[in-house]
Amino acid sequence: DQQVKQNSPSLSVQEGRISILNCDYTNSMFDYFLWYKKYPAEGPTFLISISSIKDKNEDGRFTVFLNKSAKHLSLHIVPSQPGDSAVYFCAASAAGGGADGLTFGKGTHLIIQP
Amino acid sequence: DVKVTQSSRYLVKRTGEKVFLECVQDMDHENMFWYRQDPGLGLRLIYFSYDVKMKEKGDIPEGYSVSREKKERFSLILESASTNQTSMYLCASRTNTGEQYFGPGTRLTVT
Repeated sequence: DQQVKQNSPSLSVQEGRISILNCDYTNSMFDYFLWYKKYPAEGPTFLISISSIKDKNEDGRFTVFLNKSAKHLSLHIVPSQPGDSAVYFCAASAAGGGADGLTFGKGTHLIIQP
Repeated sequence: DVKVTQSSRYLVKRTGEKVFLECVQDMDHENMFWYRQDPGLGLRLIYFSYDVKMKEKGDIPEGYSVSREKKERFSLILESASTNQTSMYLCASRTNTGEQYFGPGTRLTVT
């Protein structure tokens, strides 16, 4: 059973607009969440993270929101730029802060259109 | 800057061969990980290590083993490569604050 779900395999957004990528999880033990960006033939790049004690974390154009009651998090990218076109993975870890590995979603392919 | 390097970007091996994938990190991290990425499946954890000579199975350890003789180096071993092990293999190293940083990946093709 998938513990981290990214239900949109792809998302197309116009340049300059907001991109919103969604992620749901089922494991109540998850307490730390991360977003990664991946270009083809490269390793994932860490973008931003959030601990379960917060509901929002911001870093430049990237903001992650966490709704614990709904077991839902989202990544907002504002404004979207052509270089943001990539696959985005949501990841989660349980108590231990990821020392025993991360659980990843299947990814969402974000396409930024000019 | 965290740097994680992997020994090969692309590798082609024959069925039945023994395959070694090497990973090195330069940040003195204790925790290191091996994942594989397949289309439509995301990243799946194969093995991880939290210290020298320590190893733990991840979600899909079958057909793989690992070695951690030195803190900076974590090796993934395919004892007898099979075609279903054709994949992108990604090594990661974990900071004390919980972020994992990945190497560039090794695209392995088993024919």
